[in-house]
Amino acid sequence: QSALTQPASVSGPLGQAITISCTGSSSDVGGYKYVSWYQHHPGKVPKVIIYEVTNRPSGVSNRFSGSKSGNTASLTISGLQAEDEADYYCSSFTTSSTYVFGTGTKVSVL
Amino acid sequence: QVQLVQSGAGVKKPGASVRVSCQASGYTFTDYYIHWVRQAPGQGLEWMGWINPNNGGTIYAQKFQGTFTISRDTSIRTVYMDLTRLKSDDTAVYYCARRTSSGRTFDFWGQGTLVTVSS
Repeated sequence: QSALTQPASVSGPLGQAITISCTGSSSDVGGYKYVSWYQHHPGKVPKVIIYEVTNRPSGVSNRFSGSKSGNTASLTISGLQAEDEADYYCSSFTTSSTYVFGTGTKVSVL
Repeated sequence: QVQLVQSGAGVKKPGASVRVSCQASGYTFTDYYIHWVRQAPGQGLEWMGWINPNNGGTIYAQKFQGTFTISRDTSIRTVYMDLTRLKSDDTAVYYCARRTSSGRTFDFWGQGTLVTVSS
């Protein structure tokens, strides 16, 4: 199972919106609603910010939103803030009941 | 509150084995699958496998089949990961994570355990 494809880095100015893509196949992203997004600050534990493609866990800012079209899922961060600087990973359930993570995207706030 | 507390690991020599423990508290242990995820230095997250604590059923990523085993001891609410025939590229932080039943996402994570493979 190959990692899902994400851009290595995305940046944007404070207050703007950015979108991170996550491309897989019909065996993972395209085939299931179980796509999650995780925020990972270096040295800390990953934190789920989106699950089931579009759902936000309680306590997660509504500046984070998710969507999916075909084999590509996307995470949008609106109103970019300094604390959003982190690594972001998508993850998907796959056939054979396994999981796969994306390659990861480093978000920088300009 | 839900907690996953990891222990074990450290520095291991190539060819050796390592065990990392993940003790759960704050919820019904057998109700949630536990997964293992690792992150090598400078690399991304990598999914390794899961265990169903209720019946001990496991599934592993193909890459780790043959060298990676997950087990559990329900009496002490602990899940174990064993990695054998260690190589230098097994150097990583290893995390256990709880998977929700409905959303199939990882909602709680252990603190991470660094395994260093070096001669």
